[in-house]
Amino acid sequence: AQSVTQPDIHITVSEGASLELRCNYSYGATPYLFWYVQSPGQGLQLLLKYFSGDTLVQGIKGFEAEFKRSQSSFNLRKPSVHWSDAAEYFCAVMGAAGNKLTFGGGTRVLVKP
Amino acid sequence: ETGVTQSPTHLIKTRGQQVTLRCSSQSGHNTVSWYQQALGQGPQFIFQYYREEENGRGNFPPRFSGLQFPNYSSELNVNALELDDSALYLCASSFKLAGAGDTGELFFGEGSRLTVL
Repeated sequence: AQSVTQPDIHITVSEGASLELRCNYSYGATPYLFWYVQSPGQGLQLLLKYFSGDTLVQGIKGFEAEFKRSQSSFNLRKPSVHWSDAAEYFCAVMGAAGNKLTFGGGTRVLVKP
Repeated sequence: ETGVTQSPTHLIKTRGQQVTLRCSSQSGHNTVSWYQQALGQGPQFIFQYYREEENGRGNFPPRFSGLQFPNYSSELNVNALELDDSALYLCASSFKLAGAGDTGELFFGEGSRLTVL
């Protein structure tokens, strides 16, 4: 069975500082991996995805993520955060059946001025 | 902002009642998935509908049921509501090629927040 772990429940970062959110997955084959962001009162928005190829993936809003098969990780990074990046971030994996996403528990990001 | 709309946005029910949640998919999409997001947790897959048929189901009891209509909109029905059914219910639409898996690009609505008293 596939699973996703996001070890950090909350992260506080100063505006302008770098951000890294951790994600570890469990899946028997090459996974499809995703990062979504959820702002208060809004639905989930796709930031980026990894299917195959280059292990460093660029997304929207200046985010990037790196797939490391040896560590079963897909960490999300941003070099310089903005106050508008305060939100909850979810890592997710999709299996071969291609019909469901399994999400991690999420990481809530707070941005200090 | 996606083209996925959900209704109602908020509702309150009591235990034992039944509820119907509605979702209009984004234009051009033929697949609808439903997720339950309890407070402080990640979304959990309930089921997916493709071509008006259930195409995969998560670990939810049969009292959670759904429909997809010819225009690809969808309903989620929950019977015999329990307190633990209180959650944000998210609908997501996507496009699936016949005989292929989903692209994974799900477009989510803003959800229906259900409170069961």
